[in-house]
Amino acid sequence: NAGVTQTPKFQVLKTGQSMTLQCAQDMNHNSMYWYRQDPGMGLRLIYYSASEGTTDKGEVPNGYNVSRLNKREFSLRLESAAPSQTSVYFCASSEVQGETQYFGPGTRLLVL
Amino acid sequence: KNQVEQSPQSLIILEGKNCTLQCNYTVSPFSNLRWYKQDTGRGPVSLTIMTFSENTKSNGRYTATLDADTKQSSLHITASQLSDSASYICVVRLRAGGFKTIFGAGTRLFVKA
Repeated sequence: NAGVTQTPKFQVLKTGQSMTLQCAQDMNHNSMYWYRQDPGMGLRLIYYSASEGTTDKGEVPNGYNVSRLNKREFSLRLESAAPSQTSVYFCASSEVQGETQYFGPGTRLLVL
Repeated sequence: KNQVEQSPQSLIILEGKNCTLQCNYTVSPFSNLRWYKQDTGRGPVSLTIMTFSENTKSNGRYTATLDADTKQSSLHITASQLSDSASYICVVRLRAGGFKTIFGAGTRLFVKA
């Protein structure tokens, strides 16, 4: 039982490049989330998926898109990376929306 | 504005000592409050959850308190260990349609031998 897994662990991009961050959970959770964590700030919600087939914007969705591929997988895409998107990205899941969230190990992204 | 403020920003204590971390929130309407522990390079892990009617919750050496009237919570760590070195994050959920969760910026705790 791996919990929540994320790939890649680290990534360096040039401004304007695109990439997709992958997230998968094996706990049969219905809800999944993407956050970014910046120094001195709390985790901020980018997008979430309350259940398979639905996605909604969070607090800071600009510059990102998501796909809930199936119940297990929730991906985050940066279409044209900007230096302001340098951050640590965490995926999380919960049994239902709003309940205790289980976090992945994070993806550290540097945009030059 | 819904906010969660934590203090201190960072704290250094000696192994074996106790410490208390503070969380003040202006979130309304309040649903519940969680404390998470985040080890360096890892994702946060839930320690405790408290609803409006609960004012104390323990998890081993961790004890969280909640005063819903003053909108304050604390996390007390007893007999600290080196493995307690981490960031501790206070998270408040609104009682509203859908869900909205506000994360504090965290307190960075360093436990020294």
